[in-house]
Amino acid sequence: GAVVSQHPSWVICKSGTSVKIECRSLDFQATTMFWYRQFPKQSLMLMATSNEGSKATYEQGVEKDKFLINHASLTLSTLTVTSAHPEDSSFYICSARDPFRDREGSPLHFGNGTRLTVT
Amino acid sequence: AQSVSQHNHHVILSEAASLELGCNYSYGGTVNLFWYVQYPGQHLQLLLKYFSGDPLVKGIKGFEAEFIKSKFSFNLRKPSVQWSDTAEYFCAVNAKAAGNKLTFGGGTRVLVKP
Repeated sequence: GAVVSQHPSWVICKSGTSVKIECRSLDFQATTMFWYRQFPKQSLMLMATSNEGSKATYEQGVEKDKFLINHASLTLSTLTVTSAHPEDSSFYICSARDPFRDREGSPLHFGNGTRLTVT
Repeated sequence: AQSVSQHNHHVILSEAASLELGCNYSYGGTVNLFWYVQYPGQHLQLLLKYFSGDPLVKGIKGFEAEFIKSKFSFNLRKPSVQWSDTAEYFCAVNAKAAGNKLTFGGGTRVLVKP
């Protein structure tokens, strides 16, 4: 089945620094990837839709300058949390569909997530 | 506002008990419905999905869900739970009216006591 890989699995950084999270589709090409955020004991909230070769589409309330998304290739999307603060500590999860095997509306394939802790 | 609601935040039950988790959504039109499970320390996994056809869908690990269009509901059931079913369960809806974005409910933490 389609595999989505995220790296790193967890990261601890100091306040004010930037952190980059990578999301790769290992056995398929993903023109679109989705970035979610999950706070403790809460559900997943869609942050943005990453589009290969074009700008990401951000959900309402998500700061595009804070959460930089780059989708430069069909197998890699990156999320950079810039000038991180403790309130950015969360679980970030990426997901994607295989455009050739999954029709629109099909289940997403999720990465294992990245736990970010900002001290 | 369009949303996905899960009625129970926490459920505690004993092994062999029956489980039913409620899920309601508020989107009109065409919807695709999913239940995901997240075991402790693991990533989200798809339990089952509904696109069309028989409203009673069967998924992995003995789970099933029933789509009741008139009630905008997609409740998850399992007749007899096991300790290994301890996990968090998320209902999710992909609605054409919402741009086909996958929207999750708040999740239900299920603890099965051995």
